[in-house]
Amino acid sequence: GQQVMQIPQYQHVQEGEDFTTYCNSSTTLSNIQWYKQRPGGHPVFLIQLVKSGEVKKQKRLTFQFGEAKKNSSLHITATQTTDVGTYFCAKSGGSNYKLTFGKGTLLTVNP
Amino acid sequence: DAGVIQSPRHEVTEMGQEVTLRCKPISGHDYLFWYRQTMMRGLELLIYFNNNVPIDDSGMPEDRFSAKMPNASFSTLKIQPSEPRDSAVYFCASSTGTTQYFGPGTRLTVL
Repeated sequence: GQQVMQIPQYQHVQEGEDFTTYCNSSTTLSNIQWYKQRPGGHPVFLIQLVKSGEVKKQKRLTFQFGEAKKNSSLHITATQTTDVGTYFCAKSGGSNYKLTFGKGTLLTVNP
Repeated sequence: DAGVIQSPRHEVTEMGQEVTLRCKPISGHDYLFWYRQTMMRGLELLIYFNNNVPIDDSGMPEDRFSAKMPNASFSTLKIQPSEPRDSAVYFCASSTGTTQYFGPGTRLTVL
């Protein structure tokens, strides 16, 4: 099936540094979702973006959906050790609720 | 709300044995999804149900895998016979729309 590509695969930062992960698709997306999975845990829904150029913020997290709806990004300002985990983007099938997940970006934070 | 419940949380079995994983979705959710997560392949959708009916099983690896949903509050994923390459974390998720709520997962090890 058509995939969503995430980069980078891994990112290690010092606490207080910023972090960004990118999600790219070769086709136009109807929407994009972001999930976070803590080590040893399960994916937890963070947000859904639907509109072209949409920007949403959750405290230190900023989510963007590209104008062409083919890419998305998640930016974390001033990382904390609680941000550690794998961040996944996921695209839906449009008329159904099936999700296709990217491979994720593993974020580690050095205190 | 108890969230999605999965059992067992850990399963260790020997090659050739039958394995049954269980899931109780969140009450009122009409979609149920089974995923498999490995380091190599990431998070893969195996099958999903809507109102207890299987909608898409294209992700089921082979005939050794089967899934059922006899009622709205229970689903099983069965592997028979199991093989070492089936070792993974299996997640169940449920939803009423695009946001999926994941269970804690079952970590399966096939020796």
